[in-house]
Amino acid sequence: DAGVTQSPTHLIKTRGQQVTLRCSPISGHKSVSWYQQVLGQGPQFIFQYYEKEERGRGNFPDRFSARQFPNYSSELNVNALLLGDSALYLCASSTTGQGVNYGYTFGSGTRLTVV
Amino acid sequence: AQRVTQPEKLLSVFKGAPVELKCNYSYSGSPELFWYVQYSRQRLQLLLRHISRESIKGFTADLNKGETSFHLKKPFAQEEDSAMYYCALSSTGNQFYFGTGTSLTVIP
Repeated sequence: DAGVTQSPTHLIKTRGQQVTLRCSPISGHKSVSWYQQVLGQGPQFIFQYYEKEERGRGNFPDRFSARQFPNYSSELNVNALLLGDSALYLCASSTTGQGVNYGYTFGSGTRLTVV
Repeated sequence: AQRVTQPEKLLSVFKGAPVELKCNYSYSGSPELFWYVQYSRQRLQLLLRHISRESIKGFTADLNKGETSFHLKKPFAQEEDSAMYYCALSSTGNQFYFGTGTSLTVIP
């Protein structure tokens, strides 16, 4: 059984550009969450989606947006990239919207570098 | 506001020695506390959670509400324990607040 898969694994973008990151949850998982991990810091919560609806949002600017598709996969979009957006972006899936105790599983992440 | 503090960025111990990774939190309610581990070139994975009161790979952690702490302990460190450890708190059940992590090195 495949785990949480994220694509691409690495990405280099220029300031001001837009980027889309993708996440496929574990089969049967209906919730996807996104985290940003800046070098030297712990992961910071960005969004949670459950059953295609936004269920939680962290303290990030409106440049960050996300959506979840009928097959429960998800995309994270970041517009007008800043150098400070350089980070590892993690996706996690779980079976329920209150999923921290129900198989909360992280992907390997997408490393975004903004130059 | 929820906050998780891991005061040690780096921790080195000798193989066979006891190890304690500190975690303090601030939250006015009844949080759920977790420890996550990331081994070299592997993804972040759950080590243990306080509600389960379990011991995983010889590690235990006790929630001390009076001291608002959730320290991770192991009586005899092994080389394979070398990894990055993150303490995490959940208040709503749908997101984690992570600490900054402690990098543990077990010296042979």
